Order: sequence, then C-alpha cells, then structure tokens
Amino acid sequence: GAVVSQHPSRVICKSGTSVKIECRSLDFQATTMFWYRQFPKQSLMLMATSNEGSKATYEQGVEKDKFLINHASLTLSTLTVTSAHPEDSSFYICSAWTEIYGYTFGSGTRLTVV
Amino acid sequence: GQNIDQPTEMTATEGAIVQINCTYQTSGFNGLFWYQQHAGEAPTFLSYNVLDGLEEKGRFSSFLSRSKGYSYLLLKELQMKDSASYLCAVRDDYKLSFGAGTTVTVRA
Repeated sequence: GAVVSQHPSRVICKSGTSVKIECRSLDFQATTMFWYRQFPKQSLMLMATSNEGSKATYEQGVEKDKFLINHASLTLSTLTVTSAHPEDSSFYICSAWTEIYGYTFGSGTRLTVV
Repeated sequence: GQNIDQPTEMTATEGAIVQINCTYQTSGFNGLFWYQQHAGEAPTFLSYNVLDGLEEKGRFSSFLSRSKGYSYLLLKELQMKDSASYLCAVRDDYKLSFGAGTTVTVRA
C-alpha cells in the first residue's frame, strides 16, 4: 500500500526559531497534500491544502505567513512553522490524497516549543 | 460550516460490543470515514460509507443514513488492543472534516 514518510517524529525547539516538517510519498505521487494540527484530546483540524506546483490554500484563521507550505514536487511537501511560540506546540500530521489510495496519513510530528 | 458530533468517551468490557454514534451537519457530503487513532500516532483507516446502509469488515461494521446525517461504528468482540480514539470524518469535495473523536476504553 501507499506510505507517507513524515519527519521528524518529535522536535523540541526554542521560542522564536523555525521548524520544518517533511512529508514524502513513497512509491507514489501525491498531487494533493493536506496538513492538520491536533491539540491534546481534540480533533484533527485542517490547516491547509497544498497542490504540487501551486500555492497552498489555507483554512480560515490559519496564518499563511507563519505556517509556510511548500509542495515543489509530487513526492515532497513541507510545512515550516516560523517564529514558533509555545502555543504552536501541537501534533502536526500530513495526509496525501490520490484517487487510487485515497487518504494516506503520515505518522505525525510532535512539536514542543520551549 | 462543518459540525460533526460524537461522544467523548465510552467504556466497555473485553468481548462485548460497542456502538459509536456520529451525527453530522456539513455543507457538502462525499462520504464518511471512520478511523482509529492511538495517542501520538497517525489515524488508521477502518471504514468508508458513501451510500446508505451497513458495511461490514470483520469485527468492525459501519452504518450510514445520509437523510438523517447519522453514522455509527460497531465494534464487536472487543479486545484490549481496541482501546483507542475513534474518529468520524466527513468528506466534502476532497477535504476531510473530523469529529473530536471518541475514546474507547476496553476493560478486562
């Protein structure tokens, strides 16, 4: 089946620094990637949708200048949390959409900002 | 907007059956998914319903009524490893909107 490799699985960063999260589709091409954020005991909240070669579409209330999404190739999408603050600490997860495989989730990244 | 409701927690005994209900009010509908999620891990696909009726898959079954905006996930012959969060998600176009999840605790 399809696999999306997400790295890092855990990261701790200092307040004010930037963190990059990568999602790679293995053995398949993902034209569409969804990025979610999940706070403890809460739902997965869609942050943005990225399509290869075009600008990401952000959900209402998500700061596009803070959460930079790049989908430069059919196998790689990245989310960069810029100027991270403690309130950005969360579980971030990507999901690739294809007609053949449906939704394939990455394994998630636990971000802790100290 | 999207409104997807499911109970917060449920507890059941090993070997028993548990039914998790999900009601939804969404701007569009292209199907309903159920996922299992263990803490700190990615959701794992369980079932997908796009037409009314029951879909059975081993110990797990899922039901959908589009006219009522209602679905349920039925877990039979509960095992300790079934302790997890169960997420109801509605697809609108290609986007998935998730409910807050139902934490199921299986006790011996």
